Amino acid sequence: GDSVTQMEGPVTLSEEAFLTINCTYTATGYPSLFWYVQYPGEGLQLLLKATKADDKGSNKGFEATYRKETTSFHLEKGSVQVSDSAVYFCALSESGGYNKLIFGAGTRLAVHP
Amino acid sequence: EAGVAQSPRYKIIEKRQSVAFWCNPISGHATLYWYQQILGQGPKLLIQFQNNGVVDDSQLPKDRFSAERLKGVDSTLKIQPAKLEDSAVYLCASRTTGANVLTFGAGSRLTVL
Repeated sequence: GDSVTQMEGPVTLSEEAFLTINCTYTATGYPSLFWYVQYPGEGLQLLLKATKADDKGSNKGFEATYRKETTSFHLEKGSVQVSDSAVYFCALSESGGYNKLIFGAGTRLAVHP
Repeated sequence: EAGVAQSPRYKIIEKRQSVAFWCNPISGHATLYWYQQILGQGPKLLIQFQNNGVVDDSQLPKDRFSAERLKGVDSTLKIQPAKLEDSAVYLCASRTTGANVLTFGAGSRLTVL
């Protein structure tokens, strides 16, 4: 079945460092891809999405490009802040289905001043 | 708009006891999801409703878990009897027809002793 694989955390960075969190997926058909973020004590929030190949999702300085040829959707940010410390989840939504989300295991990011 | 409401936020029970979680989705959202998030893992879908009908409960442990969505609005997830491995955060999410983005509630954290 469909699945999502994320790089293991935690990822620890200094403020203003460059961030990459790798995400690859396995799916039949053409899924939509998402990054959700979970701040401490809060629920999951949509960070960005892409619905077809070569689409780039972006929000709050974060970007991810839907790469069908490498089945990847890596999350990047040029300069992280302490407030970006959270757990990031990559997810896919199956095409033609009922839009259920399949999540990766999550990657914890800790940003230090 | 009001978000997805869940209660209780925290619950501690002993194994073999029962527990129920409640979810009120965003008004007008026809699709409702219950996810289980075990510590250190990504959320896993337990059950998905379309209005008051079940469209996917393939990963719901039906010997102990049950869920209903009477009148196609609020939903209740019940566990009876609870096991230690049921300790997790139970997330409710909803989606409006035609959209592919889920909105999540803050979750209900269950600890089984």
